[in-house]
Amino acid sequence: EAQVTQNPRYLITVTGKKLTVTCSQNMNHEYMSWYRQDPGLGLRQIYYSMNVEVTDKGDVPEGYKVSRKEKRNFPLILESPSPNQTSLYFCASWRGGYHYEQYFGPGTRLTVT
Amino acid sequence: ELKVEQNPLFLSMQEGKNYTIYCNYSTTSDRLYWYRQDPGKSLESLFVLLSNGAVKQEGRLMASLDTKARLSTLHITAAVHDLSATYFCAVDMSGGGADGLTFGKGTHLIIQP
Repeated sequence: EAQVTQNPRYLITVTGKKLTVTCSQNMNHEYMSWYRQDPGLGLRQIYYSMNVEVTDKGDVPEGYKVSRKEKRNFPLILESPSPNQTSLYFCASWRGGYHYEQYFGPGTRLTVT
Repeated sequence: ELKVEQNPLFLSMQEGKNYTIYCNYSTTSDRLYWYRQDPGKSLESLFVLLSNGAVKQEGRLMASLDTKARLSTLHITAAVHDLSATYFCAVDMSGGGADGLTFGKGTHLIIQP
């Protein structure tokens, strides 16, 4: 089954404790992205990747890091989480080209206390 | 900077009524997406609109795109309770998906019996 998976689905952590949210897709997509969703703000893109070892900042990259060492994986790293990073995070992947569709993971709800 | 504005942001309507959600965007794009999100769930793709004048219909939902006016509409016909959800429009500015999507803030739709 074609899918995007994220782990963990729920995470409660404390300020300053490094964490990683994993994202994996099995569709051989070139593009992957991380979004955060906050009430009243919609989804905002954090980082995106066009292929292995190629990443770029989205609209809200501060406080986040990403890496793309394998095509299928695109982890999101919070080196020193802060309470303002409490949010719902979605990973997405897509093939690119003229007719494409983004596929979204199930989401990770992060709470930073 | 690309801006995507939806209105209304909140809509409460009765079953059987018709209504339209509007999505305006600020820069040239011929690619627009509509997604549905149920509470606590991920995003589900509804429509992909790829050219001026594109119209797509699925059940009681119909989406259209006017690239000259930079406007897309999502029309709901004879609403039923099952259509209660949050609806997002998203715009691809890069042409081919390289930069990901820019989302509107979403329209929270409640359909009451």
